[in-house]
Amino acid sequence: GAVVSQHPSWVICKSGTSVKIECRSLDFQATTMFWYRQFPKQSLMLMATSNEGSKATYEQGVEKDKFLINHASLTLSTLTVTSAHPEDSSFYICSAYPRGETQYFGPGTRLLVL
Amino acid sequence: SQQGEEDPQALSIQEGENATMNCSYKTSINNLQWYRQNSGRGLVHLILIRSNEREKHSGRLRVTLDTSKKSSSLLITASRAADTASYFCATDAYGYGQNFVFGPGTRLSVLP
Repeated sequence: GAVVSQHPSWVICKSGTSVKIECRSLDFQATTMFWYRQFPKQSLMLMATSNEGSKATYEQGVEKDKFLINHASLTLSTLTVTSAHPEDSSFYICSAYPRGETQYFGPGTRLLVL
Repeated sequence: SQQGEEDPQALSIQEGENATMNCSYKTSINNLQWYRQNSGRGLVHLILIRSNEREKHSGRLRVTLDTSKKSSSLLITASRAADTASYFCATDAYGYGQNFVFGPGTRLSVLP
């Protein structure tokens, strides 16, 4: 099956710092990747669609200047949480469609902002 | 509002029993998928059912889809403690005004 990896798996940072999360497709190329966030005991909420070679598409209510997305290659998308604050603490998950209709997810990155 | 909504939100059963989870959605869809998420982990794809399908099986999993009622169910037979996880339905409604949308999930606990 298709494999999507994320790095780091967890990160703790101080308020005001920026944090970069990487999402990689290991055995396939992904022109499009998706970024979700998930609060404890809640569902996944789509934040943005990352498009290789072009600007990301953000969902309503998601600040594009706060959550910077860069899809630099066909196997890598990065999400940078800029000037992170405690309310940004969450579980961030990326995904991609390697083929067909099934979306494959990364293992997630847990961010804790102190 | 959420496209998919599962019920029950939490389910606790004994090992060996069957577990049934339901999902309702609002708009037309291309397909509906079920995922499992263990605590603090990523999502594992379980099964996909297309809008023109009514039932699919995969091992101990059985999924039904009723597009007239805009609902789906996931049945796990002969449950095991390892099935303890959260289960989400997600609808792919691309072209109908929405992308991939997850329901709130059902937290299943299988007691040994």
